[in-house]
Amino acid sequence: GAVVSQHPSRVICKSGTSVKIECRSLDFQATTMFWYRQFPKQSLMLMATSNEGSKATYEQGVEKDKFLINHASLTLSTLTVTSAHPEDSSFYICSARGDNINNEQFFGPGTRLTVL
Amino acid sequence: QKEVEQNSGPLSVPEGAIASLNCTYSDRGSQSFFWYRQYSGKSPELIMSIYSNGDKEDGRFTAQLNKASQYVSLLIRDSQPSDSATYLCAVNMRGESGGSNYKLTFGKGTLLTVNP
Repeated sequence: GAVVSQHPSRVICKSGTSVKIECRSLDFQATTMFWYRQFPKQSLMLMATSNEGSKATYEQGVEKDKFLINHASLTLSTLTVTSAHPEDSSFYICSARGDNINNEQFFGPGTRLTVL
Repeated sequence: QKEVEQNSGPLSVPEGAIASLNCTYSDRGSQSFFWYRQYSGKSPELIMSIYSNGDKEDGRFTAQLNKASQYVSLLIRDSQPSDSATYLCAVNMRGESGGSNYKLTFGKGTLLTVNP
């Protein structure tokens, strides 16, 4: 299967700081990338969908000014959590989808964010 | 509201038995269906995809799809303790805005435990 990487895998930061998470497709071109959040013992929650070169589409209830998404190339998308607070502590996972008719999405390993 | 429903479990089976995981979905127009495996603390891993009615086999895994009943299942033969994980059913559904905006909708997952 296709490989998606995420960096960093774990981050601990103080309240009020901003955190940037990178998502890369390593062996295919990702026309679309997705950002999810998962709280303990809960299912994945889609935050936003981004297509290369265009603005991200955010799900209802997700603040676009707080969660900045950039998809500058076909292999890289970034999520910046601005002015992070303890309630933003979660497992953030990206996924990528190439230009294939099967619509398969491949997930990165995730980033565990802890805001103190 | 477009939904994917799964029994949350836990489903417990003895080693060597067949584990049967079920999923129903609400969007009759859906065309792509996926099963992901998620180990605790890790991101989801794609294990099966299915697009047409009937069975699809891959090793010990068999996915079954019945579009008329809006039902998709996953069978795991000769279950192993290493199969213990949460299994997520995902359906590619058209977004609320329609058009070509497809995104994966996940069920809440079924926790499977395989006992040695």
